[in-house]
Amino acid sequence: DAKTTQPTSMDCAEGRAANLPCNHSTISGNEYVYWYRQIHSQGPQYIIHGLKNNETNEMASLIITEDRKSSTLILPHATLRDTAVYYCIVRLQGGSEKLVFGKGTKLTVNP
Amino acid sequence: SAVISQKPSRDICQRGTSLTIQCQVDSQVTMMFWYRQQPGQSLTLIATANQGSEATYESGFVIDKFPISRPNLTFSTLTVSNMSPEDSSIYLCSVRRGRLYGYTFGSGTRLTVV
Repeated sequence: DAKTTQPTSMDCAEGRAANLPCNHSTISGNEYVYWYRQIHSQGPQYIIHGLKNNETNEMASLIITEDRKSSTLILPHATLRDTAVYYCIVRLQGGSEKLVFGKGTKLTVNP
Repeated sequence: SAVISQKPSRDICQRGTSLTIQCQVDSQVTMMFWYRQQPGQSLTLIATANQGSEATYESGFVIDKFPISRPNLTFSTLTVSNMSPEDSSIYLCSVRRGRLYGYTFGSGTRLTVV
């Protein structure tokens, strides 16, 4: 089972920041938080990942709380092309490198 | 990130037949993953394919239904056997090049069984 909880859907105005929350209260110390998105009819696209420090790349920023029980993906200036399902994933332990997907958040960016 | 070529991109198949999906990666990777995405649903992991060993299947998926080959470090196939309409889904392969990298997904194979 997925170890994360996300809102089912969110809306955001074009040009504004989109803040997507994720709860992962049972995360273990050496588990990373990954974010992916899936635009309709395409394969999932990697966005960003982190362990405990905040991370930023050309696509987004990832803010992880100090207790690591939750995180927020920030798209600083959302565009219509950012409309997608966003998945927050905690990578499992035990030597397995598989990703377990939850239901994700359907983000709709409105003009 | 790794580049994945997945074929076919889509197919319509008769029930009772089998379809083999190919996944080609532009670099050598240790593990390849096969996922299924049923209509309107999230991705579900079918199995992990390691080169030189049997694939590891997730609960609810069996080798007789979804045989996997992994002949080398850049290629894998997934076969959907004895298909029924319930097998209509998008099938995706995924790889990870290393600990510092995210996972890359193929564009998927959209399968419709009639």
